[in-house]
Amino acid sequence: GQNIDQPTEMTATEGAIVQINCTYQTSGFNGLFWYQQHAGEAPTFLSYNVLDGLEEKGRFSSFLSRSKGYSYLLLKELQMKDSASYLCAVRDQWANAGKSTFGDGTTLTVKP
Amino acid sequence: SQTIHQWPATLVQPVGSPLSLECTVEGTSNPNLYWYRQAAGRGLQLLFYSVGIGQISSEVPQNLSASRPQDRQFILSSKKLLLSDSGFYLCAWSDPLDRGIGYGYTFGSGTRLTVV
Repeated sequence: GQNIDQPTEMTATEGAIVQINCTYQTSGFNGLFWYQQHAGEAPTFLSYNVLDGLEEKGRFSSFLSRSKGYSYLLLKELQMKDSASYLCAVRDQWANAGKSTFGDGTTLTVKP
Repeated sequence: SQTIHQWPATLVQPVGSPLSLECTVEGTSNPNLYWYRQAAGRGLQLLFYSVGIGQISSEVPQNLSASRPQDRQFILSSKKLLLSDSGFYLCAWSDPLDRGIGYGYTFGSGTRLTVV
């Protein structure tokens, strides 16, 4: 089975840095994804990790440790528009159609 | 470029009525297709996925069914809706050749279904 845990809510200040953690226990692993979802909208892809280490993409970075079943999403220079839900998702093996299991999401509120 | 269309955007249906949600993908061939449902304040629950025409895998036994009559068309249906079917329904596609590139899912804009 698949189990993904992430904090329910976080609050941060504009211009600051915030780290959103995700831990997972899955029977199959073929990559970990982070998605951003604004209220009332569909999720959009943010980042992808399949090997251990840090992937940086502008203001967003994502880290993965497969041995620990742990990932985090780091958001720098927070802007008000970063207020959204951030979903951690683990993709299953390609033999299982690459389906992904999602955590319940972390709602980030950025305050001025 | 690839696009995914999902409709309708919102739907209010009475209990016991039928349901049909449609999703189509353009600009790619033989995509993997998925239907997810999101309850308020929750993550996404996988309902069905498909790797090809007529091939449907169900993740959760429930009041819903899915079909893939054409390569890039994915339909979610119900014969009789229940109150518990309310939620935000999302169609998504992924490239079966994306093995390590990691583009993930591209989602449709979603259908907000309220069963009354």
